[in-house]
Amino acid sequence: DADVTQTPRNRITKTGKRIMLECSQTKGHDRMYWYRQDPGLGLRLIYYSFDVKDINKGEISDGYSVSRQAQAKFSLSLESAIPNQTALYFCATSDPIGTSTGELFFGEGSRLTVL
Amino acid sequence: QKEVEQDPGPLSVPEGAIVSLNCTYSNSAFQYFMWYRQYSRKGPELLMYTYSSGNKEDGRFTAQVDKSSKYISLFIRDSQPSDSATYLCAMNLGSSYKLIFGSGTRLLVRP
Repeated sequence: DADVTQTPRNRITKTGKRIMLECSQTKGHDRMYWYRQDPGLGLRLIYYSFDVKDINKGEISDGYSVSRQAQAKFSLSLESAIPNQTALYFCATSDPIGTSTGELFFGEGSRLTVL
Repeated sequence: QKEVEQDPGPLSVPEGAIVSLNCTYSNSAFQYFMWYRQYSRKGPELLMYTYSSGNKEDGRFTAQVDKSSKYISLFIRDSQPSDSATYLCAMNLGSSYKLIFGSGTRLLVRP
């Protein structure tokens, strides 16, 4: 089984719908992240959490919210999806040293299409 | 101007070739420099990271950082078809959560 599991892997939805992407990990890491990947733009940070009670906005948090349900679970929500949120979404984890050295462990991604 | 620039490719080479992948950056305060490999329909995985300037070797892979030129490189020796993937550079300020990624270079190694 993968260390970082994302569900669903693929989702097609309509404008205005609420969507939740879920992430669970068995790495035992406290730090979890949500990234978005778009062609030509690389990976951009949406939200990050350094422990269950710590949630922080990344560079592109508008239109998104997150919930850290447990050390191992971090979900991303789109309250009212819009077409420009069509992208590949990645969950990632790290330990404190990995935050400095850039060693993130990524899930396999959730491809979201908003029509 | 993006903080990190990376040629998107695709870069197509024959098996056995030496591959050079590069990124340039604008922020001289970056301290850690990473290379991630991403296969199609998979998440990125860290290949190697380098702290500050210099070279680091791991098997067929060598990462090089030239802070004076704000330029980093990844060399792949004896390239294999299994090296076909997108390679993402990334960097950060050290004790910071914020990784800045390049947009990735797609590499195709032809058998």
